[in-house]
Amino acid sequence: QSVLTQPPSASGTPGQWVTISCSGSKSNIGDNPVSWYRQLPGTAPKLLIYGNDQRPSGVPERFSGSKSGTSASLAISGLQSEDEAGYYCAAWDDSLYDWVFGGGTTVTVL
Amino acid sequence: QVQLVESGGGVVQPGRSLRLACAASGFTLNNYGMHWVRQAPGKGLEWVAVIWFDGGNKYYTDSVKGRFSISRDISKNTLFLQMNSLRAEDTAVYYCARGESPYGALDQWGQGTLVTVSP
Repeated sequence: QSVLTQPPSASGTPGQWVTISCSGSKSNIGDNPVSWYRQLPGTAPKLLIYGNDQRPSGVPERFSGSKSGTSASLAISGLQSEDEAGYYCAAWDDSLYDWVFGGGTTVTVL
Repeated sequence: QVQLVESGGGVVQPGRSLRLACAASGFTLNNYGMHWVRQAPGKGLEWVAVIWFDGGNKYYTDSVKGRFSISRDISKNTLFLQMNSLRAEDTAVYYCARGESPYGALDQWGQGTLVTVSP
């Protein structure tokens, strides 16, 4: 069971808005920056969001991140077929001295 | 251009050892923390270990403590993961990843190397 909790799946039609939640505790999300990763089938993960809400160069603006207290969210606006992938949240945990990942959310474009 | 290339994966019997390598290019290891992350077949991402940018601190997930060891060779700009006493549950694709800051995101990932622990 993952330290960070994500819904196992999310879906939407092309053009829709999809949000993915990530719930943790003070020792991880509460006190440390959250990052998000996207993993297309059969490929390595790729950084999508860092520092809670910052996009690396090359990541489209339709991906956005936010954090409030011990929870974080990833929002995808204007859903596209190529967004079908696994999405993971992550943060450092000050109590465990571990980097912790969420269990992952599979996004399906209907 | 930043690149991470893992090697050393393969099929190994339970109880045996394996050493993974991650060759870095486009940056120097002593400026960044480096992580190993694994993914068992059909499962999610699991963090394994980190070595701090100065090499002074190393942390491991509980399930590998005492069995795995993370290290680096600055002269070769290469990260290693020595895996001893391997178990079936260690079967996974192992990725090396660069930490953009001590407690920050993993901003660059390798393509992964598959480790299969089987009799």
